[in-house]
Amino acid sequence: QKEVEQNSGPLSVPEGAIASLNCTYSDRVSQSFFWYRQYSGKSPELIMSIYSNGDKEDGRFTAQLNKASQYVSLLIRDSQPSDSATYLCAVNDDAGTALIFGKGTTLSVSS
Amino acid sequence: GAGVSQSPSNKVTEKGKDVELRCDPISGHTALYWYRQSLGQGLEFLIYFQGNSAPDKSGLPSDRFSAERTGGSVSTLTIQRTQQEDSAVYLCASSFQGGEGETQYFGPGTRLLVL
Repeated sequence: QKEVEQNSGPLSVPEGAIASLNCTYSDRVSQSFFWYRQYSGKSPELIMSIYSNGDKEDGRFTAQLNKASQYVSLLIRDSQPSDSATYLCAVNDDAGTALIFGKGTTLSVSS
Repeated sequence: GAGVSQSPSNKVTEKGKDVELRCDPISGHTALYWYRQSLGQGLEFLIYFQGNSAPDKSGLPSDRFSAERTGGSVSTLTIQRTQQEDSAVYLCASSFQGGEGETQYFGPGTRLLVL
């Protein structure tokens, strides 16, 4: 069974700083990787997906994938208090259908 | 367009009672997923439906849990003889076809509390 590991945090950064969220996964053949953001009491919302080694940028968010190290990260530049949430890393299961989630990293951005 | 909807938003029940949770996926999405999110446990996959194919029930934790999807759209998750450990947020998600790498869109969830 695939596993996804994340540091639970909390990760605290000041407003305007770069927040770096990390995730490792157990199955070397995993192909698809997702970062979801979940505000307290709300449902998960997709931030980024990444499938190839390297960086993928979308606005203030950059996802980085290193398949050799089985490592995926999410960088948030110019962090805002509104970025305070739990960030969930996920990979597709062996069937390529369901998502296997890490337990999430809680980010707190102070103004 | 409308997102995934779930009902009820909250459900309080007594231990031993049966409960039904409903999910209405995004129109046109053929794949539907149920997940459970418990405190300290993270999001766990429960069951997956894709079109008319047999569902993937590999995540259901016990035979007290069952789900059906009628007409390829609305799904109902049923928990029989509820236990306190069933207390969690039950999340439904849908995606266009259910393939590798597809974005899954989550509903608001049903918060279940078993007393």
